[in-house]
Amino acid sequence: KNQVEQSPQSLIILEGKNCTLQCNYTVSPFSNLRWYKQDTGRGPVSLTIMTFSENTKSNGRYTATLDADTKQSSLHITASQLSDSASYICVVSGGPNFGNEKLTFGTGTRLTIIP
Amino acid sequence: KAGVTQTPRYLIKTRGQQVTLSCSPISGHRSVSWYQQTPGQGLQFLFEYFSETQRNKGNFPGRFSGRQFSNSRSEMNVSTLELGDSALYLCASSLEGSGRNTIYFGEGSWLTVV
Repeated sequence: KNQVEQSPQSLIILEGKNCTLQCNYTVSPFSNLRWYKQDTGRGPVSLTIMTFSENTKSNGRYTATLDADTKQSSLHITASQLSDSASYICVVSGGPNFGNEKLTFGTGTRLTIIP
Repeated sequence: KAGVTQTPRYLIKTRGQQVTLSCSPISGHRSVSWYQQTPGQGLQFLFEYFSETQRNKGNFPGRFSGRQFSNSRSEMNVSTLELGDSALYLCASSLEGSGRNTIYFGEGSWLTVV
């Protein structure tokens, strides 16, 4: 069964500090992996999308890594800001048919930045 | 370029009623997908439409249905509402399909069933 697991479930850090969120998946065959940021009560916003051949991708202070061999991804946030407080959702696309891939969602990591 | 627009933003219904939610995708996007989000379950896939045809369907009862029009706008309907249907309903659009392309979400429709 395709699954996406994220850790930790929640995280609290001081403003200005760095943090790393983890995503492990069992989706096969794999097509791509996305990270989304969702502010409370708002729709998710895309941060990055990575295919099999991409190991790292950055979007400002957000850097995502992908290890397709171990089926792991991480999202690193540098110099956190209060506006980074949100839920971060890992989404994996894949299987069963080429051209008709499906998305599997993680349950998210709730990040809180405190001043 | 306008984003994905969902209406209404908030609504309250009573058990047994039905509800219709609307979604206008980003101009040029032909794929529209719908998701239910609850605190305990996270994002759950409902269905995806592409060029007026349902391409994929999640594991929801037949009370949940949708359709897509020739202009790519989409609606979803929930009949015989239950308390457990209270959730944030999100619509997302993409160029050719949610599995291949980045999907862009709307702000969602908050449904409360009392």
